[in-house]
Amino acid sequence: AQSVAQPEDQVNVAEGNPLTVKCTYSVSGNPYLFWYVQYPNRGLQFLLKYITGDNLVKGSYGFEAEFNKSQTSFHLKKPSALVSDSALYFCAVRPLYSGAGSYQLTFGKGTKLSVIP
Amino acid sequence: DAGVTQSPTHLIKTRGQQVTLRCSPKSGHDTVSWYQQALGQGPQFIFQYYEEEERQRGNFPDRFSGHQFPNYSSELNVNALLLGDSALYLCASSQGEMNTEAFFGQGTRLTVV
Repeated sequence: AQSVAQPEDQVNVAEGNPLTVKCTYSVSGNPYLFWYVQYPNRGLQFLLKYITGDNLVKGSYGFEAEFNKSQTSFHLKKPSALVSDSALYFCAVRPLYSGAGSYQLTFGKGTKLSVIP
Repeated sequence: DAGVTQSPTHLIKTRGQQVTLRCSPKSGHDTVSWYQQALGQGPQFIFQYYEEEERQRGNFPDRFSGHQFPNYSSELNVNALLLGDSALYLCASSQGEMNTEAFFGQGTRLTVV
């Protein structure tokens, strides 16, 4: 069974500072990894995904994520945080191969990011 | 281009009642997945529909059922509602059942009293 862990319920960072939101995963075979953001009373917005290739993936709104296979991690990063980045962030995984049980996304519990002015 | 649309946005039901939630996928998408997001939790996969068939199901009881129509829109039905069914129900659409990039709707907030 696949799983995602987001070890921090909340991350606080000052505006202009770099931010990191952590994610580790467990999946059979190679992973297909995603980051989504959720604003209050809204659905999920896609930020970025990793399939194969370069371990550093660039996404929307200046976010990027670093895939580390040996550590089974996919941490979300941004060089300079904005107050408008304050939201709930979800990491998700599914196996890369096709087959029964492979299409569903498994999400972490989410990390609340607060950017302090 | 409209994204994924869900209706209604909010709903209040009584225990034991039945509810139907609706989802229209993003234009060009043919696959719909449903997720339940309880307060303070990440979304949990309920099931996925492709070619009008349920292709995959998460760990949810048979009280949860669905349907996909020829125009790719979908319904989620929940029978015999329990207080624990109170949650945000999210619909996601994608092109093909491989879920390469799922787009989510704004969700339906269901409250069971």
